[in-house]
Amino acid sequence: AQRVTQPEKLLSVFKGAPVELKCNYSYSGSPELFWYVQYSRQRLQLLLRHISRESIKGFTADLNKGETSFHLKKPFAQEEDSAMYYCALLNQAGTALIFGKGTTLSVSS
Amino acid sequence: NAGVTQTPKFRVLKTGQSMTLLCAQDMNHEYMYWYRQDPGMGLRLIHYSVGEGTTAKGEVPDGYNVSRLKKQNFLLGLESAAPSQTSVYFCASSYPNTGAEEQFFGPGTRLTVL
Repeated sequence: AQRVTQPEKLLSVFKGAPVELKCNYSYSGSPELFWYVQYSRQRLQLLLRHISRESIKGFTADLNKGETSFHLKKPFAQEEDSAMYYCALLNQAGTALIFGKGTTLSVSS
Repeated sequence: NAGVTQTPKFRVLKTGQSMTLLCAQDMNHEYMYWYRQDPGMGLRLIHYSVGEGTTAKGEVPDGYNVSRLKKQNFLLGLESAAPSQTSVYFCASSYPNTGAEEQFFGPGTRLTVL
């Protein structure tokens, strides 16, 4: 079965604190994973993809096949990081994304 | 470029009424998608299309129909609306040759069914 699990509905941290948004997946073979973000009053947009091994807005995510995880991390949270974050998995056919239920990140000063 | 646009932005229906949501994209994308977003349920795929004239069912297709008569447009229809279809609906499209990875989303349509 192909599935994405985001165990936290809400994550609240203080500005400057480290952030880790959890994502676990179920997939046969080599998965392709992504993080999407939806800021308030903005459209959902791609944040980063694991194959690029990039850092976007200070966020990184490493694929851990042993733990079937793709957690999103940032060492020092900023208030502008407050948003809804979705982890997504490309389906076997390569035709659609399977999204998790999302985690709302709230960063306060 | 306008990107992905959705019409209408808001709509209130009574149970049993029908309506069509229009999604248009001007990026020459092959793939298009319809999602619904509900609190605590995240983003769920309703139907999608990998090219003009083709459609496929997603995770939650019941109660919806779609058509992709033109490459740039993807229509989502509700034949007989139910309160359970109250949701925010998002359309998305993706690049022609790189598949479904990077999807570009519309602004959403907020639908309330009374």
